[in-house]
Amino acid sequence: DAMVIQNPRYQVTQFGKPVTLSCSQTLNHNVMYWYQQKSSQAPKLLFHYYDKDFNNEADTPDNFQSRRPNTSFCFLDIRSPGLGDAAMYLCATSRDYPKPYEQYFGPGTRLTVT
Amino acid sequence: TQLLEQSPQFLSIQEGENLTVYCNSSSVFSSLQWYRQEPGEGPVLLVTVVTGGEVKKLKRLTFQFGDARKDSSLHITAAQPGDTGLYLCAGASGTSYGKLTFGQGTILTVHP
Repeated sequence: DAMVIQNPRYQVTQFGKPVTLSCSQTLNHNVMYWYQQKSSQAPKLLFHYYDKDFNNEADTPDNFQSRRPNTSFCFLDIRSPGLGDAAMYLCATSRDYPKPYEQYFGPGTRLTVT
Repeated sequence: TQLLEQSPQFLSIQEGENLTVYCNSSSVFSSLQWYRQEPGEGPVLLVTVVTGGEVKKLKRLTFQFGDARKDSSLHITAAQPGDTGLYLCAGASGTSYGKLTFGQGTILTVHP
């Protein structure tokens, strides 16, 4: 089945220690998104890739960066995690044509910062 | 900036009861999606509504898109404990591919 996969599902890192979360998709969608979600709140968009074009949200801290080496894979790098970065990180994909632009989410990575 | 107001924020009901969740905006959306999210998992797409006035049914769930495409509702008939979760509405504008405006979410708890 076509899907969005996130690894690992659970990640524990130390304060200030860089961490990378990964996402892959078999949907062949050209748009990929990274969201941060805290305690049953709505997901908050960090950035997205439209093909190779990176689009950062204005309020995303510089501490968060992303890479998309090819259509299928996208990575979220947190350079120096703080306690406030503990959250669920969600990857999603969508196509840009035709409408409607439905987003499909992965299962998420739960990040704990100690 | 588009906003989507979702209500209620919390809903705690007994098995067998009916409920309705609302999403309202002053903005027009080209489509609106409803997601259900269980603890520790990602949101799962339930339905997408596109046409003003559209009604879609998914078993005991009924979704409606307002005539002006500014609001939507989710009605669950005879709720079951398995319906427990976070329900999210999300609207897509016509000008920005794929980017969604999310409502605040409704945490539904159905007690046996």
